[in-house]
Amino acid sequence: EPEVTQTPSHQVTQMGQEVILRCVPISNHLYFYWYRQILGQKVEFLVSFYNNEISEKSEIFDDQFSVERPDGSNFTLKIRSTKLEDSAMYFCASSVHGGFYEQYFGPGTRLTVT
Amino acid sequence: KQEVTQIPAALSVPEGENLVLNCSFTDSAIYNLQWFRQDPGKGLTSLLLIQSSQREQTSGRLNASLDKSSGRSTLYIAASQPGDSATYLCAVRPRGNKLVFGAGTILRVKS
Repeated sequence: EPEVTQTPSHQVTQMGQEVILRCVPISNHLYFYWYRQILGQKVEFLVSFYNNEISEKSEIFDDQFSVERPDGSNFTLKIRSTKLEDSAMYFCASSVHGGFYEQYFGPGTRLTVT
Repeated sequence: KQEVTQIPAALSVPEGENLVLNCSFTDSAIYNLQWFRQDPGKGLTSLLLIQSSQREQTSGRLNASLDKSSGRSTLYIAASQPGDSATYLCAVRPRGNKLVFGAGTILRVKS
């Protein structure tokens, strides 16, 4: 069964460093998403991406965040200058289309900022 | 602003019991509602998707209902097993692309 994959599973970085989290969505899906979950808190929406552009973003997704689909399979989330409060589990998701369609989530990348 | 609340926050039951998890949301203008399972330190596994026009969905021992007008959904788990132990998350999809999640119910099924 097709699934969303994410790499790395765990990333440790120092405050102020740039990180890139990678995702491979399900191959026939057109909508891609990033969510995060700070330890002990709710899963929060960051951004959705369709047709090579951001379709929706949350207040969390400020100028230090960016997303890209560099090729036909990968979808990346870049954090330019990490802060301690960026430590969280980051989940990638994809869906066939927007609106009524089910979102499928990857296993997550645990980001630890020291 | 859409808010999702899940009750109870935690639940411990003996194996074999039938149980109900509750989810409520503040704005009834939703596309759909998804129930997820999350194991400790792991990703989210989609269990059931209910469209706004539907009343319920079933998958194996799981049955989810939706009452959009009252802003409520329930997840019914029949004949619970120790392997069902996990956190169960409810998420609604307002107009747009994002999911809005509840805090989850931590379920422990004792053998």
